[in-house]
Amino acid sequence: EPEVTQTPSHQVTQMGQEVILRCVPISNHLYFYWYRQILGQKVEFLVSFYNNEISEKSEIFDDQFSVERPDGSNFTLKIRSTKLEDSAMYFCASSSIWTADGTEAFFGQGTRLTVV
Amino acid sequence: QKEVEQNSGPLSVPEGAIASLNCTYSDRGSQSFFWYRQYSGKSPELIMFIYSNGDKEDGRFTAQLNKASQYVSLLIRDSQPSDSATYLCAVKGRDDSWGKFQFGAGTQVVVTP
Repeated sequence: EPEVTQTPSHQVTQMGQEVILRCVPISNHLYFYWYRQILGQKVEFLVSFYNNEISEKSEIFDDQFSVERPDGSNFTLKIRSTKLEDSAMYFCASSSIWTADGTEAFFGQGTRLTVV
Repeated sequence: QKEVEQNSGPLSVPEGAIASLNCTYSDRGSQSFFWYRQYSGKSPELIMFIYSNGDKEDGRFTAQLNKASQYVSLLIRDSQPSDSATYLCAVKGRDDSWGKFQFGAGTQVVVTP
């Protein structure tokens, strides 16, 4: 069964360092997303991406964050200068064409980012 | 501020019984509603989505939507210990782009043998 894969599964970084979280969405999917979940809290939307550009971003997704689809398969989230409060599980998700009613968005297994 | 509310639980359900989970949302124009299951430390796994008023069944799961009451529920029939997880309600608001979901905090379900 096709799945969204994320690497690494766990990343520890020092405050102020840059991190890149990587995702390989399901191959025929066109829409890509990043969500995060701080331990014990809700899953929060960060950004959606379609046709090589950001469709929408949340208030969390400030200038420290960026996304890129550098080739036909990878989708990355970069945090330029990490802060302690960026520690969370980051989920990549993807979906195929959206109809007027919706479609299925599939989540990867997540990258646990720990900023020390 | 758009809100999606769920009872945090835990909801304790005997094996074989029906688990009933509820979710309310504040954005009256919300279009699509999703139920995800999340095991501890794992990613959300889609169970089903619903967009029309009424019931939608998929195996042991039934989603029920009432847009007038701004309420969506999930029934799990013949509950199994493997159903023990946190169930997340996610909502796409009227003005949100596709894929931008508001998640509830989740209801923890514990199925007891």
